[in-house]
Amino acid sequence: QTVVTQEPSFSVSPGGTVTLTCGLRSGSVSTNYYPSWYQQTPGQAPRTLIYNTNSRSSGVPDRFSGSILGNKAALTITGAQADDESDYYCVLYMGSGIYVFGSGTKVSVL
Amino acid sequence: QVQLVESGGGVVQPGRSLRLSCAASGFTLSSSPMHWVRQAPGKGLEWVAVISHDGSNKYYADSVKGRFTISRDNSKNTLYLQMNSLRVEDTAVYYCARETYLAWFDPWGQGTLVTVSS
Repeated sequence: QTVVTQEPSFSVSPGGTVTLTCGLRSGSVSTNYYPSWYQQTPGQAPRTLIYNTNSRSSGVPDRFSGSILGNKAALTITGAQADDESDYYCVLYMGSGIYVFGSGTKVSVL
Repeated sequence: QVQLVESGGGVVQPGRSLRLSCAASGFTLSSSPMHWVRQAPGKGLEWVAVISHDGSNKYYADSVKGRFTISRDNSKNTLYLQMNSLRVEDTAVYYCARETYLAWFDPWGQGTLVTVSS
């Protein structure tokens, strides 16, 4: 069973920078997994931030960026704002029609 | 305005069945693969199933394979999820989402809650 790993939580100061990662328990994440990132606040549907590793979805501020760092996909928030306090999920395409979400990272801005 | 609206959730006993619907508006459903994603209370997102734009290919998470069936009626611009042999652990908010690109789900519906309980 494929396990996609994410940090459980992160804390960042307003105006600070934080990098969340998305890895595989076995193996490395590359662009071939088409990593995408979603932001979710309580009671709301997820919102797309990044798709295809580093493409920003329409209307997403440029303080959000995606990349591959080492053997993981990464989401960087530069200049964090109070309303960035949310849960963040990555998802990977595993091939053969199968997708797997990461366990999510809770980001606190304080 | 591109929009997805789920319906059909509710409370059901273990072992029973339920069918969810997802109505699309503002775009032609037949142009895109469609997904179901669920989220158990207080838990993370879990991908459930995908169906190709024409319904010819369907793929499922291991946790629902053999019990859930994804389908679509492009003439009605509607996606479905038939859920059989429901278990307590299937309790979740179920979202439908359009696949705009590989692993790019957008938009999402608002979700419909399924509670499996005796």
